[in-house]
Amino acid sequence: DTGVSQDPRHKITKRGQNVTFRCDPISEHNRLYWYRQTLGQGPEFLTYFQNEAQLEKSRLLSDRFSAERPKGSFSTLEIQRTEQGDSAMYLCASTGTGNQPQHFGDGTRLSIL
Amino acid sequence: AQSVTQPDIHITVSEGASLELRCNYSYGATPYLFWYVQSPGQGLQLLLKYFSGDTLVQGIKGFEAEFKRSQSSFNLRKPSVHWSDAAEYFCAVPGAGSYQLTFGKGTKLSVIP
Repeated sequence: DTGVSQDPRHKITKRGQNVTFRCDPISEHNRLYWYRQTLGQGPEFLTYFQNEAQLEKSRLLSDRFSAERPKGSFSTLEIQRTEQGDSAMYLCASTGTGNQPQHFGDGTRLSIL
Repeated sequence: AQSVTQPDIHITVSEGASLELRCNYSYGATPYLFWYVQSPGQGLQLLLKYFSGDTLVQGIKGFEAEFKRSQSSFNLRKPSVHWSDAAEYFCAVPGAGSYQLTFGKGTKLSVIP
C-alpha cells in the first residue's frame, strides 16, 4: 500500500493553457474523489467516481473542468483555458466500499501566471 | 444542508500544554465525523473518525475527540502538544450525497517552544 499518488506535485502555466493532473488511488480502492483547496479554506468537493463511473460531477466548477477514470484505476482531472482563479491545490482521495474514511494524496499545486 | 464550523482560525499553544480544537456541525442524522491534519504543502492525513458507539474516539499521534450530540460538537483534544503537531486541522462530515466530505475552514495550530 503506497498510498494515493498525485502527479505532478506542482504545475506552473500561463493563463489560457490546458492542464491535466493524474491521480493513482490505493490499489484496492474503487471510489475516487477530486477536491480543490484554495488558500485559507478547507477542501471543496469537485467530483466522484465509483470504479469507472463518474457518479457526481455537478460540483465541477465550470465546463472547463472535466475528469475521467477510464479503466477504474487512475484518474485524470483536466482544466481547459486556465484562468487566474484556478490557482489552487487539487487533491485526490480514495476509499473502498462502505463507510471507510477517505485517504488523500499530497495534491497538485497549480499556479497560473 | 450539511456544514462544519471551526470557530478558531489560528491557535497558538506552548509545547507541553494541552490543546482543544473546536468543531461544530450541522447534519440531518447521526453523522460520521472526521478530523484530518495537513502539514504545509502536503495532503490530508486522517487523525481519527467517529462512526457510532463510544463517543470518545482515540486517534493517531495521541489525539482524541469527543462526540457530543446535544452540542453538535466533535472537539479534538491532546493532553500535551509537541512541536511537530504544528499544522492545520480540519473537521469534516459527509456531504449532501453522503459520499463526499464537507470540510470546515480549518484551524491553524502554532506551537511555541
